[in-house]
Amino acid sequence: DAGVIQSPRHEVTEMGQEVTLRCKPISGHDYLFWYRQTMMRGLELLIYFNNNVPIDDSGMPEDRFSAKMPNASFSTLKIQPSEPRDSAVYFCASSFLAGGTSEQFFGPGTRLTVL
Amino acid sequence: QKEVEQNSGPLSVPEGAIASLNCTYSDRVSQSFFWYRQYSGKSPELIMSIYSNGDKEDGRFTAQLNKASQYVSLLIRDSQPSDSATYLCAVNESPGRRALTFGSGTRLQVQP
Repeated sequence: DAGVIQSPRHEVTEMGQEVTLRCKPISGHDYLFWYRQTMMRGLELLIYFNNNVPIDDSGMPEDRFSAKMPNASFSTLKIQPSEPRDSAVYFCASSFLAGGTSEQFFGPGTRLTVL
Repeated sequence: QKEVEQNSGPLSVPEGAIASLNCTYSDRVSQSFFWYRQYSGKSPELIMSIYSNGDKEDGRFTAQLNKASQYVSLLIRDSQPSDSATYLCAVNESPGRRALTFGSGTRLQVQP
């Protein structure tokens, strides 16, 4: 069974450009999470969805960030306009609510560099 | 502010030894606890989950949870050089909220 799929794997862009990151969760999973990892701040939650509905976006740093989940198999994280401080690895993870567990499975990540 | 604390390391152990990784958390209502392994340049990989006090064993890995002390640990027996990675402790703070709070990770080095 395929794991979480993310694209692109690497993105290099210039300040001010729009960046769109994509994620396909594991089939059948009903939760989807977006995380960002930096050396300074570690792994931090940006937003998560349950059944395609955003549940908690308190980690989204500012209005430049937006996320959507139009269907159960696809989600996007958009940054517009991008800034150098957005440079990080962005991970998507998914989980399935079974027996009350919260085990999350991560995709390979997108390494974003904003020049 | 809810926190998950780990010693950043590096923790260096010889091959074949037991590696002991520790994690403390601040929220007493935390329900679920996880250990992830992350190799350099890779994504976090779930290796253990634990939900109740006591020990849980899976192969060479043992997770230990003490909710009264707000402490969770991971023991790796017969450590191998391939175990060299950063180990992230993650906590689910309440059953109604599915997000995880991660510690900053402990870097483990297993010396051949």
